[in-house]
Amino acid sequence: EPEVTQTPSHQVTQMGQEVILRCVPISNHLYFYWYRQILGQKVEFLVSFYNNEISEKSEIFDDQFSVERPDGSNFTLKIRSTKLEDSAMYFCASWPGPISYRNLYGYTFGSGTRLTVV
Amino acid sequence: AQSVTQLDSQVPVFEEAPVELRCNYSSSVSVYLFWYVQYPNQGLQLLLKYLSGSTLVKGINGFEAEFNKSQTSFHLRKPSVHISDTAEYFCAVSETARLGGFQKLVFGTGTRLLVSP
Repeated sequence: EPEVTQTPSHQVTQMGQEVILRCVPISNHLYFYWYRQILGQKVEFLVSFYNNEISEKSEIFDDQFSVERPDGSNFTLKIRSTKLEDSAMYFCASWPGPISYRNLYGYTFGSGTRLTVV
Repeated sequence: AQSVTQLDSQVPVFEEAPVELRCNYSSSVSVYLFWYVQYPNQGLQLLLKYLSGSTLVKGINGFEAEFNKSQTSFHLRKPSVHISDTAEYFCAVSETARLGGFQKLVFGTGTRLLVSP
């Protein structure tokens, strides 16, 4: 079964440093998402991405965050200057998109990257 | 805007007993509904989803859920649980598509299912 792949599985970074979280969505999917889960809390939407642009973002997704699909296969989340409160599990997800698939598929989530800011 | 309420933060149950995890949602438009499971130190795995059609949805690992539009509920059930079902369970909702694509998922706070021998 196709998977969404996220790397690294765990990243430790110092406060103020830039970090890039990487995701490889399923190859024929067109919609991409980032979510985060602060330890012990619920999963929160960050951003959705379609046709090489952001389609929706949450209030969490401020100017410190950016997303990119640099080469047609990877989907990245960049945090420019990490803060302690950015420590969380970050999940990437993808979805095929065309309406004819909607009865067959839901989101597919990756296994996440645990970001620890020290 | 949608919201999801999972009233039970933790549900302890004995092995082989039935279980129901409750989920209620609020939305002014039609929605899709999902249940995800998260095992310790792992990602989110889709258990089942309701998109349209039959209101009783069967998922993986023997779980099922029933969509009740009048009560705005989507409770998850399993007739006989196993130790291995111990995990965090998240209910989520998404608006039906505006342009043919899923909108964002809005998650509940989760219910921790604790199955003991």
